[in-house]
Amino acid sequence: EAGVVQSPRYKIIEKKQPVAFWCNPISGHNTLYWYRQNLGQGPELLIRYENEEAVDDSQLPKDRFSAERLKGVDSTLKIQPAELGDSAVYLCASSSQGRGSTDTQYFGPGTRLTVL
Amino acid sequence: DQQVKQNSPSLSVQEGRISILNCDYTNSMFDYFLWYKKYPAEGPTFLISISSIKDKNEDGRFTVFLNKSAKHLSLHIVPSQPGDSAVYFCAASGSNTNAGKSTFGDGTTLTVKP
Repeated sequence: EAGVVQSPRYKIIEKKQPVAFWCNPISGHNTLYWYRQNLGQGPELLIRYENEEAVDDSQLPKDRFSAERLKGVDSTLKIQPAELGDSAVYLCASSSQGRGSTDTQYFGPGTRLTVL
Repeated sequence: DQQVKQNSPSLSVQEGRISILNCDYTNSMFDYFLWYKKYPAEGPTFLISISSIKDKNEDGRFTVFLNKSAKHLSLHIVPSQPGDSAVYFCAASGSNTNAGKSTFGDGTTLTVKP
């Protein structure tokens, strides 16, 4: 079974430019997460989807970040415009949990973003 | 305020010896704890978990201990192998509040020397 797929793996852009990341979760996983991981730190949740619905986006900087999960499968995370401080690894994860169940997440390899 | 803390950024052990990685948490609503392992250029991979109704969970060479009164958990790896060298993240979630949201520590880099 294929794991979580993310693309691109690496992205270098200049500040103020837009950038988008794509994620394809494990087949059948209804929950999808986007995390940002800064150097030397753990992943921080940006947004969590249950199927098509964003159930937790409290940590998403909504002035420049947006996300969508059309049809409850693939997801795209966008930054517009990018700032220097957005340089990080953006991780996508998925899980098959139902309400109240345990939360074992399966992570993709991440997209390393460098903003110059 | 960081709710999950891994106070040791790094740990180095000799092959065959025990590795002990520690994690502290502050939120008493957390009732499920996980350890993830991360190699360079890869995403974290689930390793082992424990529910708050238990104080120990074992899976092969990996054992997680939970001390609820101290809000502390630890991961024991016995015997340690060079392939265990990676960054280990502790994560915590609460099934009764915002189910599905995991809070991660900053990780401990384990180096196992041959």
